[in-house]
Amino acid sequence: SAVISQKPSRDICQRGTSLTIQCQVDSQVTMMFWYRQQPGQSLTLIATANQGSEATYESGFVIDKFPISRPNLTFSTLTVSNMSPEDSSIYLCSVVGQGVSEQYFGPGTRLTVT
Amino acid sequence: GQQLNQSPQSMFIQEGEDVSMNCTSSSIFNTWLWYKQDPGEGPVLLIALYKAGELTSNGRLTAQFGITRKDSFLNISASIPSDVGIYFCAGLRETSGSRLTFGEGTQLTVNP
Repeated sequence: SAVISQKPSRDICQRGTSLTIQCQVDSQVTMMFWYRQQPGQSLTLIATANQGSEATYESGFVIDKFPISRPNLTFSTLTVSNMSPEDSSIYLCSVVGQGVSEQYFGPGTRLTVT
Repeated sequence: GQQLNQSPQSMFIQEGEDVSMNCTSSSIFNTWLWYKQDPGEGPVLLIALYKAGELTSNGRLTAQFGITRKDSFLNISASIPSDVGIYFCAGLRETSGSRLTFGEGTQLTVNP
């Protein structure tokens, strides 16, 4: 499986500010995703990060709030914009491995908005 | 929203006991994945299932892909304290590409 790292691992931010989360993979992968995990909840897909084109967002998530970049096959960023306390969550990136259907997750970024 | 019903929500067991959990859906899935998440970590893939009726083991873990393709089961035998964590099922539907749908999770506590 791919080795996935995320930065930062955690942050405490003030409302109204923005935070950019980085996801780095140790090998080239075709598909990368961003998920949100609210406290005590399951994982919800935010968007598919497409290399060289705009991300594909799931219902309830918009580009203005969660802009995503994917400049190459090993790196992606997710920005949480104009944050409010409701954005306090763990944000996780994932990649599809060799098995096509198997997805692997990064360690997550724990965000607290005050 | 969530389309996978995972049960039980939580389990409290004694070390050495066997554990079973399951996921059901009204939709058909082509792939079932089972993950474990420890506190402060991302989910770790335990088992992947690709065919209806498939039974796959990974050490003390055994998972099955239901024959209706609408459910999956995970069993843990002879539990140990390090089995503590949250277990998630996740599924891929034919129309969803690689976009996973997750269950609500089962919180497992193992008492030594």
